[in-house]
Amino acid sequence: DQQVKQNSPSLSVQEGRISILNCDYTNSMFDYFLWYKKYPAEGPTFLISISSIKDKNEDGRFTVFLNKSAKHLSLHIVPSQPGDSAVYFCAASAELGNRDDKIIFGKGTRLHILP
Amino acid sequence: GAVVSQHPSWVICKSGTSVKIECRSLDFQATTMFWYRQFPKQSLMLMATSNEGSKATYEQGVEKDKFLINHASLTLSTLTVTSAHPEDSSFYICSARPLLRVTYNEQFFGPGTRLTVL
Repeated sequence: DQQVKQNSPSLSVQEGRISILNCDYTNSMFDYFLWYKKYPAEGPTFLISISSIKDKNEDGRFTVFLNKSAKHLSLHIVPSQPGDSAVYFCAASAELGNRDDKIIFGKGTRLHILP
Repeated sequence: GAVVSQHPSWVICKSGTSVKIECRSLDFQATTMFWYRQFPKQSLMLMATSNEGSKATYEQGVEKDKFLINHASLTLSTLTVTSAHPEDSSFYICSARPLLRVTYNEQFFGPGTRLTVL
C-alpha cells in the first residue's frame, strides 16, 4: 500500500509558466514532508521541505503547500526553467511523536519543461 | 554541502557472483546510512537501515542473507549483493544521515550504482 502517492507520472509545462506537482499521503503520522529532484543516473537532491505545523514554505522559485486535512501537498515552481526538467519525488517522514528513521517516497513525477 | 559518494557507479556481473557497493560520506560523519533500490519508473524503495557498529534493520521482504550490509565506521557502509541474479539488476542508492543535522531525518543521497546481472 503506497503511503505517498504521486498520481501524475509525467507533466509538461511551457518554459516561464508555473509547474504544479501534486502529492497525496495516507499516513496521518507523517509530520514532515520533502521534495527531491532527481536527474537520470544520479541520486536525489533535496529541494524543499515543510513541517506539518506550517501550510506553506517558500524558497526562491519553489513553494510547497500543505493541506493537512486533505493529506495533500503540492510543489509550485515559478517561473519554470529548462533546468527544472527532472523527476520530482515527494517524500514524507514522522519526525515527532512516533519518531521513525524512514523517509517514504512517492513514485515520482517526470517534469518536462518545453521551450 | 554534504557529499556522499558511491563506488562503483555501475557494475556488470555474471549470475551467481557477489558484488560489493560502497557508500561513503566524504565531509561529515553519518550515524545512520540507508540503502534504497529503484526499478525503472518506480519509487525509491528502502531496503535497510544501518547504524554504525550494529546490525542493519531490513525492510519486510528484503532478504538479509542476500543483501549483506556492513557499517564499519561513521563514514562507510557497504552493501554486498550475494549470488546475484538478473532480477537483482537495479539502481541502488545510499543515503547518509549526518551526526550533526538540522532536522531529525536530514539525509544526503549518493549518486547511485547501476547493477546489471547477466
